[in-house]
Amino acid sequence: GENVEQHPSTLSVQEGDSAVIKCTYSDSASNYFPWYKQELGKRPQLIIDIRSNVGEKKDQRIAVTLNKTAKHFSLHITETQPEDSAVYFCAAIGSNYKLTFGKGTLLTVNP
Amino acid sequence: DGGITQSPKYLFRKEGQNVTLSCEQNLNHDAMYWYRQDPGQGLRLIYYSQIVNDFQKGDIAEGYSVSREKKESFPLTVTSAQKNPTAFYLCASSMGRGGGEQYFGPGTRLTVT
Repeated sequence: GENVEQHPSTLSVQEGDSAVIKCTYSDSASNYFPWYKQELGKRPQLIIDIRSNVGEKKDQRIAVTLNKTAKHFSLHITETQPEDSAVYFCAAIGSNYKLTFGKGTLLTVNP
Repeated sequence: DGGITQSPKYLFRKEGQNVTLSCEQNLNHDAMYWYRQDPGQGLRLIYYSQIVNDFQKGDIAEGYSVSREKKESFPLTVTSAQKNPTAFYLCASSMGRGGGEQYFGPGTRLTVT
């Protein structure tokens, strides 16, 4: 089955700096890679996703890149703000149609 | 916050008792999922259903059971066979299995003592 590794597990940045979270996956047939943000005590919410036929996708301060050859994808947040503080999860859908999540990254943006 | 609901928000049970967690969606989604979330473990798939009257085991199905008698509902029963049931349980739904956004419910925090 699919295995998704996510790094780092914690990340602390100063407000205005960029943050990068990286994930690798094992199933070469995986074709959909979402990123979820979970604030403390709340449900995960999709912030951006990318499909395997695209190498990069941007939405304002958030971007995701995908390298199918290396089987890794990354989340980039620019100009971080305190409200970006949360746990971020990457995920991948494999050939069995199950969504497998990474273990999460706790991002702290210091004012 | 509408669309997919879970109840109750907090649930307390004694060891040895079965307990059923509710999940309802009005999004007309075909697929529904149950995840368990533990600190530092991310979200782990318990069971999923891609269509009414059909469901499959996820990665950690032992000690759990589900049913999918209606499109809108996907209840999860935590049985006494589940060795470590205390956790945060999240239900989700999506249009289909092909890779699209999963919408999550607010979660149920189950504590078993």
